[in-house]
Amino acid sequence: AIQVTQSPSSLSASVGDRVTITCRASQGIRNDLSWYQQKPGKAPKVLICAASSLQSGVPSRFSGSGSGTDFTLTISGLQPEDFATYYCLQDHDFPFTFGGGTKVEIK
Amino acid sequence: EEQLVESGGGLVHPGGSLRLSCAASGFTFSTHTVVWVRQAPGQGLEWVSSISPGSHDIYYADSVKGRFTVSRDNARNLLYLQMDNLRVEDTALYFCTRDYYTGSPLEAYDIWGQGTMVTVSS
Repeated sequence: AIQVTQSPSSLSASVGDRVTITCRASQGIRNDLSWYQQKPGKAPKVLICAASSLQSGVPSRFSGSGSGTDFTLTISGLQPEDFATYYCLQDHDFPFTFGGGTKVEIK
Repeated sequence: EEQLVESGGGLVHPGGSLRLSCAASGFTFSTHTVVWVRQAPGQGLEWVSSISPGSHDIYYADSVKGRFTVSRDNARNLLYLQMDNLRVEDTALYFCTRDYYTGSPLEAYDIWGQGTMVTVSS
């Protein structure tokens, strides 16, 4: 199975900060990667698919980039509602695999 | 309203079995791939299994292969996960979710249930 390494596992940031989260796949996965946001006690919410395609209704401060093995989720101008845990998911090859998650906390 | 509702979780002994259900409503269930994802207490997400609209393509995580069986009933808008030979490490909140994109290589899990808790303990 393809392994996905996500970093950092946690970070502290302030409202208005620019935040970057990365995922690295153990082999090339083209652009077959999506990003999810999960808040405590809630189901995940899809933010981005195909590495950079913003889902409908997701604020434009979220953006994704990358292809092959290295991918990035960027939040430009962190808002109070963005404090959550973020996961990437490789959907290139079955079984699909999630990254370990990044918890974004308030500084 | 497009909705998924899981049921069937509970407490089971190691080696036991449990069948989870996921009821879909508000959308054309038969045209979407549906997926099980689980989350152990305080841990991250783990992709478990997926089943294509016509049940022709079925996949499992290595951790559950040979023990779990996914199926669906499109006439009743139901997704199932039969879990056999359960282990302590299967303890988790089990979510069902659908792939938004039909007939496309794109994948996005846009609708999720609230989850059903499975606890495996002696």
